[in-house]
Amino acid sequence: DQQVKQNSPSLSVQEGRISILNCDYTNSMFDYFLWYKKYPAEGPTFLISISSIKDKNEDGRFTVFLNKSAKHLSLHIVPSQPGDSAVYFCAARGNPRSGAGSYQLTFGKGTKLSVIP
Amino acid sequence: KAGVTQTPRYLIKTRGQQVTLSCSPISGHRSVSWYQQTPGQGLQFLFEYFSETQRNKGNFPGRFSGRQFSNSRSEMNVSTLELGDSALYLCASSLGFGATDTQYFGPGTRLTVL
Repeated sequence: DQQVKQNSPSLSVQEGRISILNCDYTNSMFDYFLWYKKYPAEGPTFLISISSIKDKNEDGRFTVFLNKSAKHLSLHIVPSQPGDSAVYFCAARGNPRSGAGSYQLTFGKGTKLSVIP
Repeated sequence: KAGVTQTPRYLIKTRGQQVTLSCSPISGHRSVSWYQQTPGQGLQFLFEYFSETQRNKGNFPGRFSGRQFSNSRSEMNVSTLELGDSALYLCASSLGFGATDTQYFGPGTRLTVL
Protein backbone atom coordinates (compact mmCIF):
# COMPACT_ATOMS: atom_id res chain seq x y z
CA ASP A 1 0.00 0.00 0.00
CA GLN A 2 1.76 3.08 -1.29
CA GLN A 3 0.91 5.97 0.99
CA VAL A 4 2.85 8.58 -0.97
CA LYS A 5 2.53 8.54 -4.74
CA GLN A 6 4.36 10.39 -7.44
CA ASN A 7 2.45 9.34 -10.50
CA SER A 8 4.77 10.85 -13.09
CA PRO A 9 8.02 8.88 -13.33
CA SER A 10 9.52 11.57 -15.55
CA LEU A 11 9.05 15.14 -16.67
CA SER A 12 10.79 17.21 -19.36
CA VAL A 13 10.75 21.00 -19.28
CA GLN A 14 12.45 23.70 -21.31
CA GLU A 15 15.01 25.86 -19.56
CA GLY A 16 13.42 29.01 -18.18
CA ARG A 17 9.94 27.53 -17.97
CA ILE A 18 8.10 26.31 -14.88
CA SER A 19 8.51 22.74 -13.62
CA ILE A 20 5.61 21.34 -11.63
CA LEU A 21 6.11 18.09 -9.76
CA ASN A 22 3.13 16.47 -8.13
CA CYS A 23 2.64 14.21 -5.14
CA ASP A 24 -0.45 12.59 -3.64
CA TYR A 25 -0.81 10.96 -0.26
CA THR A 26 -3.44 8.76 1.30
CA ASN A 27 -2.68 8.91 5.01
CA SER A 28 -4.61 11.77 6.59
CA MET A 29 -2.31 11.59 9.63
CA PHE A 30 0.60 12.98 7.64
CA ASP A 31 1.20 16.56 8.70
CA TYR A 32 4.68 17.45 7.50
CA PHE A 33 5.93 17.20 3.95
CA LEU A 34 9.35 17.50 2.37
CA TRP A 35 10.90 17.53 -1.07
CA TYR A 36 14.31 16.12 -1.78
CA LYS A 37 16.43 16.24 -4.91
CA LYS A 38 18.76 13.40 -5.83
CA TYR A 39 21.60 13.27 -8.34
CA PRO A 40 23.01 9.90 -9.43
CA ALA A 41 25.55 8.42 -6.99
CA GLU A 42 24.64 10.98 -4.32
CA GLY A 43 22.27 10.97 -1.37
CA PRO A 44 19.04 12.99 -1.49
CA THR A 45 19.43 16.70 -0.79
CA PHE A 46 16.76 18.49 1.21
CA LEU A 47 15.00 21.20 -0.80
CA ILE A 48 11.97 22.54 0.98
CA SER A 49 9.31 21.51 3.46
CA ILE A 50 5.81 22.49 4.49
CA SER A 51 3.72 21.92 7.57
CA SER A 52 0.07 21.01 7.28
CA ILE A 53 -0.91 24.30 8.92
CA LYS A 54 0.30 26.12 5.80
CA ASP A 55 -0.76 25.89 2.19
CA LYS A 56 2.34 27.42 0.63
CA ASN A 57 6.03 27.76 1.36
CA GLU A 58 8.58 29.55 -0.80
CA ASP A 59 12.34 29.40 -0.95
CA GLY A 60 13.92 31.19 -3.87
CA ARG A 61 12.96 29.46 -7.10
CA PHE A 62 11.18 26.67 -5.21
CA THR A 63 7.60 26.82 -3.97
CA VAL A 64 5.64 23.99 -2.41
CA PHE A 65 1.85 24.04 -2.36
CA LEU A 66 -0.24 21.85 -0.09
CA ASN A 67 -3.93 21.05 -0.62
CA LYS A 68 -4.95 19.11 2.46
CA SER A 69 -8.50 18.44 1.35
CA ALA A 70 -7.23 16.84 -1.85
CA LYS A 71 -4.24 15.24 -0.09
CA HIS A 72 -2.04 16.71 -2.78
CA LEU A 73 1.14 18.70 -2.84
CA SER A 74 3.19 20.11 -5.64
CA LEU A 75 6.65 21.57 -6.10
CA HIS A 76 7.05 24.47 -8.50
CA ILE A 77 10.46 25.42 -9.83
CA VAL A 78 10.62 28.79 -11.56
CA PRO A 79 12.58 29.33 -13.70
CA SER A 80 13.87 25.84 -14.39
CA GLN A 81 17.59 25.49 -14.98
CA PRO A 82 19.60 22.61 -16.49
CA GLY A 83 21.21 22.03 -13.08
CA ASP A 84 17.76 21.19 -11.72
CA SER A 85 17.80 17.96 -13.72
CA ALA A 86 17.60 15.24 -11.07
CA VAL A 87 15.18 12.85 -9.42
CA TYR A 88 12.78 14.59 -7.03
CA PHE A 89 11.30 12.75 -4.08
CA CYS A 90 8.28 13.76 -2.09
CA ALA A 91 8.23 12.60 1.54
CA ALA A 92 5.61 12.76 4.27
CA ARG A 93 5.69 12.37 8.01
CA GLY A 94 3.08 11.83 10.68
CA ASN A 95 3.15 13.01 14.27
CA PRO A 96 2.67 10.43 17.02
CA ARG A 97 1.42 13.20 19.30
CA SER A 98 -1.56 13.65 17.01
CA GLY A 99 -2.25 9.99 16.48
CA ALA A 100 0.10 8.95 13.71
CA GLY A 101 2.23 5.89 14.37
CA SER A 102 5.65 7.47 14.21
CA TYR A 103 7.84 10.25 12.90
CA GLN A 104 9.28 8.12 10.13
CA LEU A 105 9.43 9.57 6.63
CA THR A 106 7.46 7.85 3.89
CA PHE A 107 8.79 8.54 0.41
CA GLY A 108 7.27 8.51 -3.03
CA LYS A 109 9.14 6.69 -5.79
CA GLY A 110 10.42 9.87 -7.37
CA THR A 111 10.01 11.89 -10.54
CA LYS A 112 12.96 12.34 -12.87
CA LEU A 113 13.09 15.94 -14.06
CA SER A 114 14.99 16.79 -17.21
CA VAL A 115 15.48 20.47 -17.98
CA ILE A 116 16.34 20.94 -21.63
CA PRO A 117 18.67 23.85 -22.50
CA LYS B 1 30.12 21.80 8.99
CA ALA B 2 30.78 18.36 7.53
CA GLY B 3 27.82 16.44 6.18
CA VAL B 4 26.71 12.90 6.83
CA THR B 5 29.43 10.42 5.96
CA GLN B 6 28.95 6.77 5.14
CA THR B 7 31.53 4.05 4.82
CA PRO B 8 32.26 2.14 2.76
CA ARG B 9 30.85 3.75 -0.39
CA TYR B 10 30.83 0.50 -2.34
CA LEU B 11 30.72 -3.09 -1.22
CA ILE B 12 30.52 -6.43 -2.99
CA LYS B 13 29.50 -9.50 -1.02
CA THR B 14 28.29 -12.99 -1.80
CA ARG B 15 25.08 -14.65 -0.70
CA GLY B 16 25.13 -15.87 2.88
CA GLN B 17 27.74 -13.41 4.06
CA GLN B 18 27.05 -10.60 6.47
CA VAL B 19 27.86 -6.92 6.14
CA THR B 20 28.21 -3.90 8.42
CA LEU B 21 27.69 -0.36 7.17
CA SER B 22 28.71 2.73 9.07
CA CYS B 23 27.23 6.21 9.32
CA SER B 24 28.60 9.33 10.97
CA PRO B 25 25.94 12.03 11.41
CA ILE B 26 26.36 15.76 11.13
CA SER B 27 28.04 17.10 14.23
CA GLY B 28 25.43 17.80 16.90
CA HIS B 29 22.78 15.62 15.31
CA ARG B 30 21.43 12.96 17.61
CA SER B 31 19.01 11.10 15.38
CA VAL B 32 20.04 8.67 12.64
CA SER B 33 17.73 6.91 10.19
CA TRP B 34 18.51 4.25 7.63
CA TYR B 35 16.81 3.69 4.28
CA GLN B 36 17.11 1.15 1.51
CA GLN B 37 16.78 2.39 -2.04
CA THR B 38 16.06 0.00 -4.89
CA PRO B 39 14.85 0.82 -8.42
CA GLY B 40 11.52 -0.88 -7.94
CA GLN B 41 10.66 0.15 -4.39
CA GLY B 42 12.15 3.61 -4.02
CA LEU B 43 13.34 4.65 -0.55
CA GLN B 44 12.11 2.37 2.17
CA PHE B 45 12.55 3.08 5.85
CA LEU B 46 14.66 0.60 7.80
CA PHE B 47 15.02 2.04 11.29
CA GLU B 48 15.63 5.17 13.31
CA TYR B 49 17.81 5.74 16.35
CA PHE B 50 17.86 8.55 18.85
CA SER B 51 20.08 8.69 21.90
CA GLU B 52 21.26 5.12 21.33
CA THR B 53 17.69 3.79 21.33
CA GLN B 54 15.84 2.37 18.35
CA ARG B 55 12.72 4.52 18.13
CA ASN B 56 11.14 3.04 15.06
CA LYS B 57 11.58 0.10 12.73
CA GLY B 58 10.37 -0.48 9.20
CA ASN B 59 8.98 -3.63 7.68
CA PHE B 60 12.20 -5.54 7.11
CA PRO B 61 13.19 -9.03 8.26
CA GLY B 62 15.22 -9.58 11.41
CA ARG B 63 18.37 -10.05 9.30
CA PHE B 64 18.52 -6.26 9.25
CA SER B 65 19.67 -4.73 12.50
CA GLY B 66 21.33 -1.59 13.68
CA ARG B 67 22.69 0.28 16.61
CA GLN B 68 23.75 3.74 17.65
CA PHE B 69 26.71 4.66 19.78
CA SER B 70 27.05 7.34 22.42
CA ASN B 71 28.69 9.69 19.91
CA SER B 72 25.58 9.29 17.67
CA ARG B 73 27.47 7.29 15.06
CA SER B 74 25.41 4.40 13.78
CA GLU B 75 25.96 1.03 12.17
CA MET B 76 23.59 -1.27 10.39
CA ASN B 77 24.16 -4.95 9.89
CA VAL B 78 22.67 -7.36 7.39
CA SER B 79 23.22 -11.02 8.06
CA THR B 80 22.82 -13.96 5.67
CA LEU B 81 22.80 -11.74 2.62
CA GLU B 82 20.38 -12.45 -0.21
CA LEU B 83 20.54 -11.30 -3.82
CA GLY B 84 17.57 -9.01 -3.18
CA ASP B 85 19.57 -7.08 -0.59
CA SER B 86 21.52 -5.43 -3.39
CA ALA B 87 20.63 -1.78 -3.01
CA LEU B 88 21.81 1.69 -2.09
CA TYR B 89 21.72 2.06 1.70
CA LEU B 90 21.23 5.62 2.83
CA CYS B 91 21.76 7.10 6.23
CA ALA B 92 20.16 10.37 7.30
CA SER B 93 20.72 12.45 10.40
CA SER B 94 18.61 15.08 12.10
CA LEU B 95 19.08 17.32 15.07
CA GLY B 96 16.40 15.70 17.15
CA PHE B 97 13.57 13.29 17.01
CA GLY B 98 10.52 15.32 16.17
CA ALA B 99 7.85 16.12 13.68
CA THR B 100 9.66 18.97 11.94
CA ASP B 101 13.24 17.77 12.22
CA THR B 102 14.69 17.74 8.72
CA GLN B 103 16.72 14.69 7.76
CA TYR B 104 19.97 15.23 5.89
CA PHE B 105 21.27 12.32 3.86
CA GLY B 106 24.70 10.89 3.31
CA PRO B 107 25.95 9.71 -0.10
CA GLY B 108 24.97 6.10 0.57
CA THR B 109 26.67 2.72 0.46
CA ARG B 110 26.11 0.74 -2.72
CA LEU B 111 25.87 -2.92 -1.75
CA THR B 112 26.03 -5.59 -4.43
CA VAL B 113 25.29 -9.18 -3.48
CA LEU B 114 26.50 -11.83 -5.91
